[in-house]
Amino acid sequence: KAGVTQTPRYLIKTRGQQVTLSCSPISGHRSVSWYQQTPGQGLQFLFEYFSETQRNKGNFPGRFSGRQFSNSRSEMNVSTLELGDSALYLCASSPQYPGQGGDEQFFGPGTRLTVL
Amino acid sequence: ILNVEQSPQSLHVQEGDSTNFTCSFPSSNFYALHWYRWETAKSPEALFVMTLNGDEKKKGRISATLNTKEGYSYLYIKGSQPEDSATYLCAFVTGANNLFFGTGTRLTVIP
Repeated sequence: KAGVTQTPRYLIKTRGQQVTLSCSPISGHRSVSWYQQTPGQGLQFLFEYFSETQRNKGNFPGRFSGRQFSNSRSEMNVSTLELGDSALYLCASSPQYPGQGGDEQFFGPGTRLTVL
Repeated sequence: ILNVEQSPQSLHVQEGDSTNFTCSFPSSNFYALHWYRWETAKSPEALFVMTLNGDEKKKGRISATLNTKEGYSYLYIKGSQPEDSATYLCAFVTGANNLFFGTGTRLTVIP
């Protein structure tokens, strides 16, 4: 089974621009979650999608948004980029809800975003 | 924002030593506790998913225990090997299926 894939792997943008990151979950997984990791911080939960619906949202500003398509692929968008948005963005998939019935998260390799 | 703490932040041990680290979390609204291993240049990989108070799980030389009433989990590594070098993350899962990760314990095993 192919793992979780994320594109692009690296991205450089300037302040004020917007960016879209893509995540393809493991085949058959319906839940996709997004996380941000910045130096010195743990993984910060952004949002989780299940069957095209946002089920949970973390404590991030409205500039961060996402969506999920019928094939479970997900995209994350950040508008009006700020320097502090420079981070590693990880997506993870699981068959159901993360933690539901013992479901672990399967992580992708991440997208490294640098905002100049 | 929910606080999940891991200690120590980093740890250096000699090959063959046994070691353990701690994950502390709120004792309310508990649903599950995950442990992940994150090796440099790779993706985090799940080690254990723990849901019941008193749970004890084992995978090879690595084991974990869970105390939901007092809000902690321990991860043990017996006979550490260089390939165990990684950051170990715990994640607290609430009843609303939100995951809150700790900042991790970075383990370095010296050959």
